[in-house]
Amino acid sequence: AQSVAQPEDQVNVAEGNPLTVKCTYSVSGNPYLFWYVQYPNRGLQFLLKYITGDNLVKGSYGFEAEFNKSQTSFHLKKPSALVSDSALYFCAVRALAAGSARQLTFGSGTQLTVLP
Amino acid sequence: EAGVAQSPRYKIIEKRQSVAFWCNPISGHATLYWYQQILGQGPKLLIQFQNNGVVDDSQLPKDRFSAERLKGVDSTLKIQPAKLEDSAVYLCASSPPGQGVRMETQYFGPGTRLLVL
Repeated sequence: AQSVAQPEDQVNVAEGNPLTVKCTYSVSGNPYLFWYVQYPNRGLQFLLKYITGDNLVKGSYGFEAEFNKSQTSFHLKKPSALVSDSALYFCAVRALAAGSARQLTFGSGTQLTVLP
Repeated sequence: EAGVAQSPRYKIIEKRQSVAFWCNPISGHATLYWYQQILGQGPKLLIQFQNNGVVDDSQLPKDRFSAERLKGVDSTLKIQPAKLEDSAVYLCASSPPGQGVRMETQYFGPGTRLLVL
């Protein structure tokens, strides 16, 4: 079975400081990894994904994430946080070998608050 | 490009009543997903369609939940009868056809917030 852990329910950071939202995963074989963001009363918006290739993935709004196979982690990062980045962030995984059954398993989410 | 559309946005019903949600995916997207997101949790996949066929419904409570995707476009998700624990946001998502990394990204609708009293 595949699973995702987001160890922090809440992350607070001051505007202009770097931010990190942590994610670790468990999956059989190679993973597909995703980050989504959810603003209040809205659906999830895709931020970035790791499928293959470069371990450092760049996504929307200046976010990036680093795939670390040995640590089974895919932490989300941004060099300089904005107040508008405040939202709920979800990490998700699926096994590469799952074929057409592209069931994503999501973490429980991390609420990011950027303080002005 | 229009996004994934869902209706209604909010629904309040009493337990044992029935309810239906509608989803219209992004034009041309072959794969459609229904997720249940309980407050404080991440979304959980209920069912995945490829065109109008079911690919994965292993987590769908089939004694009360049903879903269909006639003609491979719009989809409806029904709950009958509803229970208190069905209170959640129901998200619809779609992804493009074909092979490769492009089809891996899922695009989500705004969701339907269901409250069962």
